[in-house]
Amino acid sequence: AQSVTQLDSQVPVFEEAPVELRCNYSSSVSVYLFWYVQYPNQGLQLLLKYLSGSTLVKGINGFEAEFNKSQTSFHLRKPSVHISDTAEYFCAVTPYGGATNKLIFGTGTLLAVQP
Amino acid sequence: EPEVTQTPSHQVTQMGQEVILRCVPISNHLYFYWYRQILGQKVEFLVSFYNNEISEKSEIFDDQFSVERPDGSNFTLKIRSTKLEDSAMYFCASSDWGKETQYFGPGTRLLVL
Repeated sequence: AQSVTQLDSQVPVFEEAPVELRCNYSSSVSVYLFWYVQYPNQGLQLLLKYLSGSTLVKGINGFEAEFNKSQTSFHLRKPSVHISDTAEYFCAVTPYGGATNKLIFGTGTLLAVQP
Repeated sequence: EPEVTQTPSHQVTQMGQEVILRCVPISNHLYFYWYRQILGQKVEFLVSFYNNEISEKSEIFDDQFSVERPDGSNFTLKIRSTKLEDSAMYFCASSDWGKETQYFGPGTRLLVL
C-alpha cells in the first residue's frame, strides 16, 4: 500500500519570496509522483509529474519539484511566488505498473501568499 | 485544449434520494475515475473503470454506488440512497492509454440534507 504525507497544512509566505512545499511518500513498489493545484472553488489541475528520467521536473507557473528516492520525497519549489499562487497543493502517487493507476493523495498544503 | 467536464456543478438533495453525477471525459481517453473530497479532507479514490467494467474500487464504493458509461461520451456515478455523509465534492478524471496521468474535471459539489 502507498501513503503520502504533507506535513505542512498551511504555508504563509510573502509575495516574491521563495517557497518549498514538502511531500514524503511510503511505498513498497516504485511510484509515479504528481503535484496538483486546486484554486479556490475550482477542480484539480496538474502542476507537474515525475514518471522517470531526470529527478528535477519543471511544471506550469514556474514550479519545479525534485524526486529524491533515498529520502522518498518529492518537494515542490518556486523561487518567487505571486499572489495568484494562493491555492491548495496536493501531492499524489500511483504505483508503477499498477492495474488502474489510482491516485493516493496527501492531505494538501494551503499556500497563502501575502502582499 | 481538451478537458473533462462535469454536470451539475452543484446538487442539493434530500437524504434517501438517488443522485446521478455526470462526466464527459476527454474523448480519446480509455480509463475513467471517480474521486471524492469531503470538505476539509483529502481527495479519496472511489472507483476506476476500463473497457466497460470496474477495474478497481475502494471500500468507500459500496452497494449504494454504481458507475456506468451509457454511451461513447458520458461516464456517470449514481448514488442510490444518499446519506448525510455522502456530502462532498465529487471529481471525475480520465487518462489515456499510458494511464499514468489523470486529468480532472471541475467537480460536482453534492449536499445531502
